[in-house]
Amino acid sequence: AQRVTQPEKLLSVFKGAPVELKCNYSYSGSPELFWYVQYSRQRLQLLLRHISRESIKGFTADLNKGETSFHLKKPFAQEEDSAMYYCALKDSTLTFGKGTMLLVSP
Amino acid sequence: DGGITQSPKYLFRKEGQNVTLSCEQNLNHDAMYWYRQDPGQGLRLIYYSQIVNDFQKGDIAEGYSVSREKKESFPLTVTSAQKNPTAFYLCASSGGDFGEDTQYFGPGTRLTVL
Repeated sequence: AQRVTQPEKLLSVFKGAPVELKCNYSYSGSPELFWYVQYSRQRLQLLLRHISRESIKGFTADLNKGETSFHLKKPFAQEEDSAMYYCALKDSTLTFGKGTMLLVSP
Repeated sequence: DGGITQSPKYLFRKEGQNVTLSCEQNLNHDAMYWYRQDPGQGLRLIYYSQIVNDFQKGDIAEGYSVSREKKESFPLTVTSAQKNPTAFYLCASSGGDFGEDTQYFGPGTRLTVL
């Protein structure tokens, strides 16, 4: 069965520090992976997907099939990045991880 | 903003009562989903529908029921059989003209059982 693991419930960093939100997956096929973000009082929304290989709001994520990981990275965190981040794996439906709360302090 | 709407925003229910949560979308999406979001649990899939008049159980369907009579609407009924119904419920949709994968979420309904 597919599974998505986000080992950190909370990640707290200072503004300007690098950020890495970890995501590991378990899946027998070729994975399609996504990062969704939920800012305070806003809807859950797509941040990025590994297929498009794009950078959104300075975030990038590289699929590492050897390590079965899809970590989300940003070199310099901003206060407005504070949010709940979910990693998700697509099969017929999306399987979400439990989420990591990122808190960026001034 | 439109797109996908959920109502009501807050809902209170007495134990033993069924309650129906509304989800409507005007995105012309074929697929719709219901999730439950609990602190520390992430999003768990309750039911999903990939086309009108068809739906499938997700990971935690027990105590819930759905219908999909119209493309735009996917109501969720929380029945009295659901043992722990107090939660935040999210509806989502995907598909349409611009790609299948991205799920668009509604603002959510917070259900509290008194």
